[in-house]
Amino acid sequence: DADVTQTPRNRITKTGKRIMLECSQTKGHDRMYWYRQDPGLGLRLIYYSFDVKDINKGEISDGYSVSRQAQAKFSLSLESAIPNQTALYFCATSDPDRVRNNEQFFGPGTRLTVL
Amino acid sequence: RKEVEQDPGPFNVPEGATVAFNCTYSNSASQSFFWYRQDCRKEPKLLMSVYSSGNEDGRFTAQLNRASQYISLLIRDSKLSDSATYLCSSGTASKLTFGTGTRLQVTL
Repeated sequence: DADVTQTPRNRITKTGKRIMLECSQTKGHDRMYWYRQDPGLGLRLIYYSFDVKDINKGEISDGYSVSRQAQAKFSLSLESAIPNQTALYFCATSDPDRVRNNEQFFGPGTRLTVL
Repeated sequence: RKEVEQDPGPFNVPEGATVAFNCTYSNSASQSFFWYRQDCRKEPKLLMSVYSSGNEDGRFTAQLNRASQYISLLIRDSKLSDSATYLCSSGTASKLTFGTGTRLQVTL
């Protein structure tokens, strides 16, 4: 069983629609992250959370919001999707007991297309 | 300037060859360094951490040069299955920054 899961895996939507991407983990990690990946631009951090009451903006948070519903769940919302939000979205987790190392573990990704 | 920079490649090498990738980082406060492997349309998977003293895992050797702010990955005896994109990352205790990746294609 995958430790970090994402739903949906693929989604095609239209401009202006509200979209929610969900991430769940069974690793017991407190820290969770949302990234998007675009060709030539690599992985860019959207939001991150160190526990249920902690939410932090990443480098490209405009147009996105997040909710940390529980330690194991971190969802990303696009309130009004636009075509340049078409990308591959990854959720990741890390273990606070290994703070110095901070290695991250990724979910399988959600491919989002906004028409 | 990007915080983490890599040559995008592609590096095309024959099976059995040795290949090396470099990656530079600009944040001198970075404390942790990693190489991730990413197959097409899949999630990045941790290949290895990079330690100050250098470290080896089978055919893979990673090194860190703090003075020049770069990390390297050496792959010996390349296999067809090593074909992938290799992402380097550096970061602090709170977050990582990733390079755009270096594409490796190993051929017969």
